[in-house]
Amino acid sequence: IAGITQAPTSQILAAGRRMTLRCTQDMRHNAMYWYRQDLGLGLRLIHYSNTAGTTGKGEVPDGYSVSRANTDDFPLTLASAVPSQTSVYFCATGRVAGYNEQFFGPGTRLTVL
Amino acid sequence: RKEVEQDPGPFNVPEGATVAFNCTYSNSASQSFFWYRQDCRKEPKLLMSVYSSGNEDGRFTAQLNRASQYISLLIRDSKLSDSATYLCVVNQNSGYSTLTFGKGTMLLVSP
Repeated sequence: IAGITQAPTSQILAAGRRMTLRCTQDMRHNAMYWYRQDLGLGLRLIHYSNTAGTTGKGEVPDGYSVSRANTDDFPLTLASAVPSQTSVYFCATGRVAGYNEQFFGPGTRLTVL
Repeated sequence: RKEVEQDPGPFNVPEGATVAFNCTYSNSASQSFFWYRQDCRKEPKLLMSVYSSGNEDGRFTAQLNRASQYISLLIRDSKLSDSATYLCVVNQNSGYSTLTFGKGTMLLVSP
């Protein structure tokens, strides 16, 4: 693994279905983040984790949940997908929460029909 | 006032031109500032960090004015490959805070 990987690359999902977006890093960074990016709205933070075992809510957390069982993995789950969750999702990592630059994965393009 | 504001552009410039982007932020306690570059349908990538009064990296110069809460990015001798969206990013400096991203300024460099 080189850096940050996300899976799947893209997905078309029926409304009401459950979906987990995966994010894995090998950079040993403490902090991890999930963003969504929509045209005209920019990047918006969904959830974050400052270190393994802790998570926090970002700007748009409703309809999403996360877990951080270890340093490397930070999955994002949509319990019951809705069309408004159609977006590009980026996972990011940072050495120290909040103060250092963040590094982004390649993104997951999700379409909810 | 929005937390991080940028002119959305697009800025259309010819190759070789000098172009400057501006960004304002609302939180006077912010301490970390960055410029990211994002190509179409790709992830944002760190272009420059701006930690003090500004810094330069080749054709790129970033400047910070804390009194005016203003950050700029200057690109000299523009290349076709500079065409992208440039995101201004600010740390809000409130405990375990997170970065706030501007919506980005699009740059189109033409031959």
